[in-house]
Amino acid sequence: GEDVEQSLFLSVREGDSSVINCTYTDSSSTYLYWYKQEPGAGLQLLTYIFSNMDMKQDQRLTVLLNKKDKHLSLRIADTQTGDSAIYFCAESLDSGGYQKVTFGTGTKLQVIP
Amino acid sequence: DAGITQSPRHKVTETGTPVTLRCHQTENHRYMYWYRQDPGHGLRLIHYSYGVKDTDKGEVSDGYSVSRSKTEDFLLTLESATSSQTSVYFCAISESAGVNEKLFFGSGTQLSVL
Repeated sequence: GEDVEQSLFLSVREGDSSVINCTYTDSSSTYLYWYKQEPGAGLQLLTYIFSNMDMKQDQRLTVLLNKKDKHLSLRIADTQTGDSAIYFCAESLDSGGYQKVTFGTGTKLQVIP
Repeated sequence: DAGITQSPRHKVTETGTPVTLRCHQTENHRYMYWYRQDPGHGLRLIHYSYGVKDTDKGEVSDGYSVSRSKTEDFLLTLESATSSQTSVYFCAISESAGVNEKLFFGSGTQLSVL
């Protein structure tokens, strides 16, 4: 199966850490991604992690991958109002000739000043 | 948006009319995709192209057709629009369909079918 699930909404205070969670069902995922969508815009790739890694850090962003539980998380340190957006996780699967990317439903992050 | 232009940005049309959305890229990327975004569904792949005149169906292709006569342009056509096709449509491109499929998205087209 190829379901990617996320909670719909997260609210945090400016300066706190945000943790956005995602679960997926296909253990053969090769790469997992986090995309950010600001209002009225397309999705922007934030970061990605290869499936044989446990963690990846990129400035304020930390991605954790638990393959056993098929759980992916994105931690944003020192969350700013500019981080308010919808965050999508996605998985990449070999689909017989091309890499099929399946997206979650998105988590809306609200940052309270 | 990584040299990707979608047109129009907004369109209102009536049920039963044909509609064509255009995606234009200046990156010379081989792969192009059309997605639709609906509340509660995230993004779903409609069609994709892996080269000029080479296209294939995604998971929600019924009622849609595509054409790619040039590397830079990928057209999505709704042959006879229905209200269920009211959505936000995104074009995306990628340099290769290797294992790491990094997608770059356009700004989207808001389509309303009345």
